Amino acid sequence: GAVVSQHPSRVICKSGTSVKIECRSLDFQATTMFWYRQFPKQSLMLMATSNEGSKATYEQGVEKDKFLINHASLTLSTLTVTSAHPEDSSFYICSARDWSQAFFGQGTRLTVV
Amino acid sequence: AQKVTQAQTEISVVEKEDVTLDCVYETRDTTYYLFWYKQPPSGELVFLIRRNSFDEQNEISGRYSWNFQKSTSSFNFTITASQVVDSAVYFCALSEAFGGSQGNLIFGKGTKLSVKP
Repeated sequence: GAVVSQHPSRVICKSGTSVKIECRSLDFQATTMFWYRQFPKQSLMLMATSNEGSKATYEQGVEKDKFLINHASLTLSTLTVTSAHPEDSSFYICSARDWSQAFFGQGTRLTVV
Repeated sequence: AQKVTQAQTEISVVEKEDVTLDCVYETRDTTYYLFWYKQPPSGELVFLIRRNSFDEQNEISGRYSWNFQKSTSSFNFTITASQVVDSAVYFCALSEAFGGSQGNLIFGKGTKLSVKP
């Protein structure tokens, strides 16, 4: 079964609204989770590193005020896309690691209309 | 700087053919990890293999095999007797550390494999 659960799998929202995506580690505690974004026919690019109990670390070019990350517990990290615009439409996927490998959520396909 | 290059953007084969997906990486670390993932149209990443830099043994898992060559910084993936269900995008990835805030993966651009009946 899935070790990392991500919800929702698909979301369509209106421009200007906010969308929250949840990422849960089911079988282990993850002090660090990673958020990636994948545009159509492109690779996965790291957006930010989510650290439990502290501020997230954002990659260059990623707006921290637009992509709010909260990692309030060892099993849950959330990504909120604030004031979404059509250019934010993408596939967002989270990841958590234990000692052996990296586990990925199912991904969230966001469409902003 | 770390980098993963998958030079083949798209490959098309006929069922039962063997196919090799190339992956070349760059890293300055002596300890690192290499991965292969399969991404079907649904988008979910399916883990295929993880290899650490100290283990150069080639691995075979059913129709899948991997050839890790540190001398050429390559970690190629071969599918033997390909099947239509193998059609997907395949990503090679590199991690320079394990655990903590450095544990993110650096992905190649992916190779789209189409297996035709």
